[in-house]
Amino acid sequence: EPEVTQTPSHQVTQMGQEVILRCVPISNHLYFYWYRQILGQKVEFLVSFYNNEISEKSEIFDDQFSVERPDGSNFTLKIRSTKLEDSAMYFCASSGTGGRQETQYFGPGTRLLVL
Amino acid sequence: GENVEQHPSTLSVQEGDSAVIKCTYSDSASNYFPWYKQELGKRPQLIIDIRSNVGEKKDQRIAVTLNKTAKHFSLHITETQPEDSAVYFCAASLANAGGTSYGKLTFGQGTILTVHP
Repeated sequence: EPEVTQTPSHQVTQMGQEVILRCVPISNHLYFYWYRQILGQKVEFLVSFYNNEISEKSEIFDDQFSVERPDGSNFTLKIRSTKLEDSAMYFCASSGTGGRQETQYFGPGTRLLVL
Repeated sequence: GENVEQHPSTLSVQEGDSAVIKCTYSDSASNYFPWYKQELGKRPQLIIDIRSNVGEKKDQRIAVTLNKTAKHFSLHITETQPEDSAVYFCAASLANAGGTSYGKLTFGQGTILTVHP
C-alpha cells in the first residue's frame, strides 16, 4: 500500500539556522498538508497546499515558514530561522483521490530539535 | 475556528473490556470526523472515520457514533486487546467537496489508552 514518506527522520539544528523538511506524498494525491506535534501535545495544523498554492494556513505558520512543491513528487517545509519553540515532530499528510478525498494519510514524521 | 475537546485524557481497561472515548466539536459546519491511533514514535494511523450524513459506523471491534445536534462523537472499542494500547486522537474538519481544499484537521488532545493483559 502506498505511503507518505518523509526525510530526514531526525534533524538537530542550532537556533537561527534554516531547515528544510522533505515529504513525498502518495502518488496522484492532490492535497498536501503539514502538521506539527510538540512532545506530549496534540497534532496542530500548519498549512494546506493545493494546485501549487497555499489553501489555508494557521497562525503558527508565520513568515519564517514556507512550503514548496519543487517537482512532481516532493513537498517541502522550510523554516527560515529556527527558534527553540520550533522543536517538535513535523508530519506531512496527503489526500485526494477517488471517492475518499478527505482522508488524510500521514507520513512517519521528522523530529526537529532546535538547540 | 473549530475547537475539539476530547475526554478522557487517559483510560485504563482490562483486556476484553470495552473502551469509550468522547469528543465534542464547536463548528456546526464540520462534516468529517476521523479517528487516528498513534503508537509511540509512530505516525497517526486512520482507524475509522464518519461523515455527517450518517450517525454510526462500525468496523469489526471499532465503532464511531455521531450526534450532530449535540456536536459530539465517540469511539467505541470492544473486546480490547493489549495491542490496542496507544494514543487515540479524534479530529474534525470541513471537507469541502468540489472546492480547493479538503480541509484542515483540528485534533483533540488525545487519549492514552492502556489495555492491561
